[in-house]
Amino acid sequence: AQSVAQPEDQVNVAEGNPLTVKCTYSVSGNPYLFWYVQYPNRGLQFLLKYITGDNLVKGSYGFEAEFNKSQTSFHLKKPSALVSDSALYFCAVNTGNQFYFGTGTSLTVIP
Amino acid sequence: DTGVSQDPRHKITKRGQNVTFRCDPISEHNRLYWYRQTLGQGPEFLTYFQNEAQLEKSRLLSDRFSAERPKGSFSTLEIQRTEQGDSAMYLCASSLTGINNSPLHFGNGTRLTVT
Repeated sequence: AQSVAQPEDQVNVAEGNPLTVKCTYSVSGNPYLFWYVQYPNRGLQFLLKYITGDNLVKGSYGFEAEFNKSQTSFHLKKPSALVSDSALYFCAVNTGNQFYFGTGTSLTVIP
Repeated sequence: DTGVSQDPRHKITKRGQNVTFRCDPISEHNRLYWYRQTLGQGPEFLTYFQNEAQLEKSRLLSDRFSAERPKGSFSTLEIQRTEQGDSAMYLCASSLTGINNSPLHFGNGTRLTVT
């Protein structure tokens, strides 16, 4: 079965510090991995994706993600967190037809 | 880019009533998806269309749920005889056909409250 797991429900980080939001995946075949962000009462917004190639993927708003095949992980990172980054973050895997989403990680950036 | 639009944004209904939601995808996108999201959870897949054809339905989608996309453009999701457990955010998303690296573009959702 295809799935993604986000082991942390909540991540708190001080403004200006680096942030990491964790994601691990389980898929058969090549993984197509995505990160989305959701603000209150809004739909999900696409941040970045990994298809193939470089293990470090750069996306919107200064976010990047590191693909690690041996650890089956796709962690979201940002070198310096902003208060405006506070939101709900979802990791997702695409299997060709369906997207499977993790349960989400609530990120709070403390001023 | 007008994005994906959903109507209404909020719907409050009494148990047992029928409700219908509408989704207008990005115009050049021919895949359209419906998801349901409850508090503290990620979006759960309900169904998807490629053009007007409904290609897959989740087992979560009971007989009370039906979705259509009659002309391959907008889509409707109807819930008959609503139950309190149907209370959730219903999200619509669209993407380009058959391109595995094509991300989903989401609307802002319809929040359903069944009283």
